[in-house]
Amino acid sequence: AQSVTQLGSHVSVSEGALVLLRCNYSSSVPPYLFWYVQYPNQGLQLLLKYTSAATLVKGINGFEAEFKKSETSFHLTKPSAHMSDAAEYFCAVSDYYQLIWGAGTKLIIKP
Amino acid sequence: DTEVTQTPKHLVMGMTNKKSLKCEQHMGHRAMYWYKQKAKKPPELMFVYSYEKLSINESVPSRFSPECPNSSLLNLHLHALQPEDSALYLCASSQEEGRDYGYTFGSGTRLTVV
Repeated sequence: AQSVTQLGSHVSVSEGALVLLRCNYSSSVPPYLFWYVQYPNQGLQLLLKYTSAATLVKGINGFEAEFKKSETSFHLTKPSAHMSDAAEYFCAVSDYYQLIWGAGTKLIIKP
Repeated sequence: DTEVTQTPKHLVMGMTNKKSLKCEQHMGHRAMYWYKQKAKKPPELMFVYSYEKLSINESVPSRFSPECPNSSLLNLHLHALQPEDSALYLCASSQEEGRDYGYTFGSGTRLTVV
């Protein structure tokens, strides 16, 4: 069965600093992996997805993620944090008809 | 049009009321989903419709009744809800039901049951 672990329920970075949000997965089949962002009182927006093509995936808003099979990881990064990046971030793995979600990581940006 | 539109944005209902949530997409997606999200938690899948037919019901109580009148519309009928049903209800769609399709989510309906 598929599962997702997001390390750190809260991550705090200074504006302009590197953002690193960690996601590890477990999957019995080649995984399809997703990162979603949720701003307060909003729905979820797809940031990027990995579906067995290039291992380095670029998404919206300057985010990217690298699929590392040997580490079963799909960490999300952004070189320079902006105040507008403050939100909840969810990593998910696809289990045919549904997404298996991580618990989420709240990204806090310090001025 | 690349959006999923949900109405209403907010809903307060009593435990004896009947109300409906509406979801609409015009992207030609053939799979549509209802999710429930409690505060500070990831979404929980409720129902999946594929080609207008109910494909998955995740053991949701019968006080929640989904309906898919056509390929663009998805409704969730609510009746005799409990206060613990208060949550953000999210609609999503994808090109097809399957592993490699990302979902497009609506902004959700914030439901409060009093």
